Amino acid sequence: SQTIHQWPATLVQPVGSPLSLECTVEGTSNPNLYWYRQAAGRGLQLLFYSVGIGQISSEVPQNLSASRPQDRQFILSSKKLLLSDSGFYLCAWGDRSGRAVFTDTQYFGPGTRLTVL
Amino acid sequence: AQSVTQLDSHVSVSEGTPVLLRCNYSSSYSPSLFWYVQHPNKGLQLLLKYTSAATLVKGINGFEAEFKKSETSFHLTKPSAHMSDAAEYFCVVSDGSTGTASKLTFGTGTRLQVTL
Repeated sequence: SQTIHQWPATLVQPVGSPLSLECTVEGTSNPNLYWYRQAAGRGLQLLFYSVGIGQISSEVPQNLSASRPQDRQFILSSKKLLLSDSGFYLCAWGDRSGRAVFTDTQYFGPGTRLTVL
Repeated sequence: AQSVTQLDSHVSVSEGTPVLLRCNYSSSYSPSLFWYVQHPNKGLQLLLKYTSAATLVKGINGFEAEFKKSETSFHLTKPSAHMSDAAEYFCVVSDGSTGTASKLTFGTGTRLQVTL
């Protein structure tokens, strides 16, 4: 079965510090990968998605970036954190088998709670 | 473009009574619709998915949802609430991409409170 991991689970960082959040998926190959942010009291906002190694699409302009160095690894980074970067960050994977009925379901990781002080 | 409206930001029910969480959607094509549940400080768990195979969709933990095209609705129901059902519920619509990355549009969520 497929499993998705995120770490760290919680993180407290000062403004201006760098950030690296990691997401890995097990039990599947060539997945679509997604990063979302959930701010307090708000819905989920898609930040980045990737359809393959080195292929990153950005949905919103911000001081965050994403990378996919391996097939099942997705990293969210920042060079200098802002207060507004605080939130709950969720990674998700989707099946890209080519079968229409399966390709738009996304499965979420446990999330990382980021607090920027 | 697609959109989702969850009609109630907060629903409170007594344990053992029925649950109804309302969702209306807007889509220019035949959509895929989902319900996810999120417990505090946890990731989202897929409850169920509609893909046009059947209008009444059964999910996990006794939840089900009915797709009504004429009403553009996809309400989530459960006959009898349990304390463990207390969580945030999200109605979601997909843009229907196939073979590439799908994009999901999330509702703003409904917080379900279950009281004794």
